Amino acid sequence: KAGVTQTPRYLIKTRGQQVTLSCSPISGHRSVSWYQQTPGQGLQFLFEYFSETQRNKGNFPGRFSGRQFSNSRSEMNVSTLELGDSALYLCASSPTGQNKNSPLHFGNGTRLTVT
Amino acid sequence: AQSVTQLGSHVSVSEGALVLLRCNYSSSVPPYLFWYVQYPNQGLQLLLKYTTGATLVKGINGFEAEFKKSETSFHLTKPSAHMSDAAEYFCAVSNSGGYQKVTFGTGTKLQVIP
Repeated sequence: KAGVTQTPRYLIKTRGQQVTLSCSPISGHRSVSWYQQTPGQGLQFLFEYFSETQRNKGNFPGRFSGRQFSNSRSEMNVSTLELGDSALYLCASSPTGQNKNSPLHFGNGTRLTVT
Repeated sequence: AQSVTQLGSHVSVSEGALVLLRCNYSSSVPPYLFWYVQYPNQGLQLLLKYTTGATLVKGINGFEAEFKKSETSFHLTKPSAHMSDAAEYFCAVSNSGGYQKVTFGTGTKLQVIP
């Protein structure tokens, strides 16, 4: 079974631009979560999607948004980029996102650098 | 609210020495606990998980963790460190409130000295 795939692996953007990151979950997984990882803040939860619906959202400004398609693939978008948005963005999938003993399966992330 | 605290953001051990990474949890209900490992430029991968039952959990790569309810701890150990164990390790707790909510610790970077 193929793992979680995130594209692109690396992105360099300038302040004020917007960016879209993509995530393809493991086949059959319907829950997709997004995390931002920075050296200072660690792993911070952005949002979680299930069946094209956002079920949970972390404490990020509205510039961060996402969506999920009918095939469970997900995208996240960051508008009006700021220097502080530079981070590794990780996507994780799980079968339903409702089973608390089910581990998350992570992709290798997208490294975003904002200059 | 659930949370995990990892003591020590950096741990150094000699190759062949015992690895001990500490994690304490806070949860109002019986927790489901996980350890993940992250190698440079990669995502997180599951090392082991505790659900219910046996308190000593064995994972991949020779790691194990013991769930101690009285101490609210879930420390990760490995008897003999290998150079390939150098990575960052994250403890996580999961509770569901209609959906799975996973909270991660701040991570511990393990350095293995030859």
